[in-house]
Amino acid sequence: KNEVEQSPQNLTAQEGEFITINCSYSVGISALHWLQQHPGGGIVSLFMLSSGKKKHGRLIATINIQEKHSSLHITASHPRDSAVYICAVRSEIWGGGSQGNLIFGKGTKLSVKP
Amino acid sequence: NAGVMQNPRHLVRRRGQEARLRCSPMKGHSHVYWYRQLPEEGLKFMVYLQKENIIDESGMPKERFSAEFPKEGPSILRIQQVVRGDSAAYFCASSPPRELGDTEAFFGQGTRLTVV
Repeated sequence: KNEVEQSPQNLTAQEGEFITINCSYSVGISALHWLQQHPGGGIVSLFMLSSGKKKHGRLIATINIQEKHSSLHITASHPRDSAVYICAVRSEIWGGGSQGNLIFGKGTKLSVKP
Repeated sequence: NAGVMQNPRHLVRRRGQEARLRCSPMKGHSHVYWYRQLPEEGLKFMVYLQKENIIDESGMPKERFSAEFPKEGPSILRIQQVVRGDSAAYFCASSPPRELGDTEAFFGQGTRLTVV
């Protein structure tokens, strides 16, 4: 079992729909990141969370530390939101002075149709 | 403030050749991480470096792969005697020193290596 699981793997939505992508993890973490990757493109950081909720434009990210679960929501989705959304966690067990590396989910491929 | 710069963006190598991938971190960042993304798979950690030091290389294959982050210049990921299975996207990320706490992840655009 992967330490970071995302669902769904693939998601197709109509423009304007409300979208939710879920991330569950099995390790203790110091932070959780949501990343966006466009086809053939680089990776952009959307959010970093350690508790609660963050909002940026039409994107909202929430995290429940007790349940080891995070969600990424997109309101009023648009075709330009089509991308792979990746959940990544920084494990709290990394020590030895290391800031720790990220453990990634496999990503959720979102396609928003006009 | 330029972001994390990786070059080349695309690299084609024949089997047995060497591949050198470069990563210049963001200004003020002294920590560099390399990740590999195989086709249809998630990103996997390879190595974590600070200037002139390898901090964690637990994700690096034992042979043919090496990484460095010299005092001057970019971080280099070097793959010797490449094989088709090395074909992947290689991403670099950088961050400021740990004492500033957890920060956003800053990634480069990646280098797409194709071995023919």
